[in-house]
Amino acid sequence: DAKTTQPNSMESNEEEPVHLPCNHSTISGTDYIHWYRQLPSQGPEYVIHGLTSNVNNRMASLAIAEDRKSSTLILHRATLRDAAVYYCILCRQSWAGSYQLTFGKGTKLSVIP
Amino acid sequence: DAGVIQSPRHEVTEMGQEVTLRCKPISGHDYLFWYRQTMMRGLELLIYFNNNVPIDDSGMPEDRFSAKMPNASFSTLKIQPSEPRDSAVYFCASSSYRDRDGGYTFGSGTRLTVV
Repeated sequence: DAKTTQPNSMESNEEEPVHLPCNHSTISGTDYIHWYRQLPSQGPEYVIHGLTSNVNNRMASLAIAEDRKSSTLILHRATLRDAAVYYCILCRQSWAGSYQLTFGKGTKLSVIP
Repeated sequence: DAGVIQSPRHEVTEMGQEVTLRCKPISGHDYLFWYRQTMMRGLELLIYFNNNVPIDDSGMPEDRFSAKMPNASFSTLKIQPSEPRDSAVYFCASSSYRDRDGGYTFGSGTRLTVV
């Protein structure tokens, strides 16, 4: 499986934008880029995913490099509730349509009041 | 929907005892996953089911672990006999292929401590 590389930790001030980077230089053409986050003492939570184009939803935006070897999760305005571990995951769908998520170590985001 | 429901939230048991973890997936979801999380190894996929059938159990650590899904609304993960190294947080997640844009939905986890 193609691997992702993320910084171990990042800090952000409250109410400022946050850009969480992810490198995936060995990504294949059919790999989707998924982001999940895990708040303290909770299970992971789906954030967003994309293939080639940038994506926006109510939680965040995903910016994907033109060569797809890197991506950035953008939280437009960090709140204290956004403090979590953020996982960037490449997801390869099998012919059956099932897909498995393999979690790495992620980036621990701290939000400073 | 109440989301993915796991029970118990916490379990403390003695080495050698049988432990059963339970999961109720979201109604209508056709995939169910069991993960284990430890500080050392992070989140590991143990097994997953599609339409109640086990598809891949290659992540199950050893024969002491078994998982079943007797129907679409219930799954169990059993450890027999339990060992201290099984101490971890066990998560259940479910998803729908038809609505795969929604990603996985995880439960709150069961924190297992084997003493």
